[in-house]
Amino acid sequence: GEDVEQSLFLSVREGDSSVINCTYTDSSSTYLYWYKQEPGAGLQLLTYIFSNMDMKQDQRLTVLLNKKDKHLSLRIADTQTGDSAIYFCANRGGATNKLIFGTGTLLAVQP
Amino acid sequence: DADVTQTPRNRITKTGKRIMLECSQTKGHDRMYWYRQDPGLGLRLIYYSFDVKDINKGEISDGYSVSRQAQAKFSLSLESAIPNQTALYFCATSDPPRDRALETQYFGPGTRLLVL
Repeated sequence: GEDVEQSLFLSVREGDSSVINCTYTDSSSTYLYWYKQEPGAGLQLLTYIFSNMDMKQDQRLTVLLNKKDKHLSLRIADTQTGDSAIYFCANRGGATNKLIFGTGTLLAVQP
Repeated sequence: DADVTQTPRNRITKTGKRIMLECSQTKGHDRMYWYRQDPGLGLRLIYYSFDVKDINKGEISDGYSVSRQAQAKFSLSLESAIPNQTALYFCATSDPPRDRALETQYFGPGTRLLVL
C-alpha cells in the first residue's frame, strides 16, 4: 500500500537550519511535495520535486530526494519564527495518481 | 478574496444531528476534494469529484455524503454526526494540467467540527 511517514515534532532555535524528514513506501511515486499549514489556515504548496531529481533549491528551501531509500527531506536555512507551522510531505502515487499525505511535522521555532 | 472558502469555519453539534459543510471556489477548477485532518493522522480523503456529474469515494467515506451542486460548490454532509467525526475538515480544488502528475491542490481554510 501507499504510506507516507513523518516525525510529529521538530524544535529549533531561530537562525538555525531545520531539516524535516519524510519516508514513503510507493516506489513508483512521480512527484513529491511539501505543503505548509500555518495556524488556523489551510495547506499551501511550498515546493515539489520530480522523482528523477536528487535536489531542488528555492531560496531558503532545499529539498533532497533519496529515491533508493525512499527518503525526502526539506531543509529550511536561517529558520525564522514565521516558519513555525506544520509541514506535510505528500507523494503522488505512480499507480493510483492519488495524492497521499504524511501526518505532518510541527516545526516550533524558539526565539 | 480567498479562492477557496468554507462555511462554517467552526461548528459544535450534538450526536445524531445532521450537519452540512459547504465549500465554494472561484478558481474555475473542475476537481474538488473533501479531507479530514486528525491529530497524528495527517489528511485523509473522504470524497472527491472530478466534475459536476462525477462523485467518488475516498478512503474514509462511511458516515459522509457529498453533493456537487455546481462547478464552484461541493458540500459535505454528516447524516447523523458521531463524536469520532470531530475533526478539522478541508476542502481542496485542483485543475490538472497536461501533465497530471504536476497537479497542485489548493486548500480552503478548514472547518473545525466538534460533535458532543
